[in-house]
Amino acid sequence: QKEVEQDPGPLSVPEGAIVSLNCTYSNSAFQYFMWYRQYSRKGPELLMYTYSSGNKEDGRFTAQVDKSSKYISLFIRDSQPSDSATYLCAMSGGSGGYQKVTFGIGTKLQVIP
Amino acid sequence: EAGVTQFPSHSVIEKGQTVTLRCDPISGHDNLYWYRRVMGKEIKFLLHFVKESKQDESGMPNNRFLAERTGGTYSTLKVQPAELEDSGVYFCASSQGLVQTQYFGPGTRLLVL
Repeated sequence: QKEVEQDPGPLSVPEGAIVSLNCTYSNSAFQYFMWYRQYSRKGPELLMYTYSSGNKEDGRFTAQVDKSSKYISLFIRDSQPSDSATYLCAMSGGSGGYQKVTFGIGTKLQVIP
Repeated sequence: EAGVTQFPSHSVIEKGQTVTLRCDPISGHDNLYWYRRVMGKEIKFLLHFVKESKQDESGMPNNRFLAERTGGTYSTLKVQPAELEDSGVYFCASSQGLVQTQYFGPGTRLLVL
């Protein structure tokens, strides 16, 4: 079983829609939860990270962590064509150490004008 | 401020040959990480340097892979001899402190024929 599960998509939404991206994980020791955006042929770019449970908002992006359910989400409001990319969840902490990051496979998002 | 740079951007070699990938982190970043993404799989952690010291190399696949970080600046990842399964995208990332704020390079696409 993978430590981090993420639906690879693709996910297509119309411009202006609210997008919900999710990951589940099995390692209860994870403490840091990150979301990256990756455009084609580029490296991942950090969008935001949270520590432990709770919500964090940054502009149109909101990250949620529910440690009791081992479930994290990223919401994108008023989605734009420029949001079309692959979104990767990532986690660290526990026995693997806080500096060792475990990634989900990434969800490919397409926002249609 | 220059970002993380990687060289070469692409490399095509034959099985049994040697390839050396280079990563130049952001100036002042003590932490340097190597990752690999095999086609259809998640990005996987390979190793972590703090300055010139290997902090964690638990993700290195086998002893055909050798990573160095000269003087705590740039890093090289050598694969010798290369095998078909080594094909993938090799990413380097650096951070000043927390891995949660690491910055990725564009990656080196390695194809072993």
